[in-house]
Amino acid sequence: GIQVEQSPPDLILQEGANSTLRCNFSDSVNNLQWFHQNPWGQLINLFYIPSGTKQNGRLSATTVATERYSLLYISSSQTTDSGVYFCAVKTNAGKSTFGDGTTLTVKP
Amino acid sequence: DGGITQSPKYLFRKEGQNVTLSCEQNLNHDAMYWYRQDPGQGLRLIYYSQIVNDFQKGDIAEGYSVSREKKESFPLTVTSAQKNPTAFYLCASSVSINNEQFFGPGTRLTVL
Repeated sequence: GIQVEQSPPDLILQEGANSTLRCNFSDSVNNLQWFHQNPWGQLINLFYIPSGTKQNGRLSATTVATERYSLLYISSSQTTDSGVYFCAVKTNAGKSTFGDGTTLTVKP
Repeated sequence: DGGITQSPKYLFRKEGQNVTLSCEQNLNHDAMYWYRQDPGQGLRLIYYSQIVNDFQKGDIAEGYSVSREKKESFPLTVTSAQKNPTAFYLCASSVSINNEQFFGPGTRLTVL
């Protein structure tokens, strides 16, 4: 099946810093999402981005489907950005595959 | 309010007992999913359903069973055949199989 790799696995930032999270996938996909998992386990939708670039406030994402990667940018990070960020992809078969996540810690 | 509900939030069971986790959505979504998350790991797909009365196995279906008798409901039964059932279980839904998924709050199952 398709492999999804996220990097880095852990990231520690000072409040106000910028960061880039990466998601590589091993096969063609027709669906890619970025999620933020909060400390209570809830998965919050950030972006649905099978290709192209989207922005939402301090967050933006870019997916280059032909090169099989996606990037999540967080600018001017805040302590509330802390948590685990997941990338999830779907192939034509409809099955979802998640990466292992990037754990972000933003220090005040 | 529209959304996905899972109950209960926490569930404790004795080893050898079957247990059913509830997932309900009022978003009129056709597709529903069940995932398992172990500590420090990503989500793994257990079962998914594209439409009522139809479902397919995901990557880790052994020891689990599902039904999809109504569009709004997709219950998951963790059977005694599941060797390591203690985990965080998340349900999701989407308009159709290739659309954006939305998640419920999850159920933490502990088998003693």
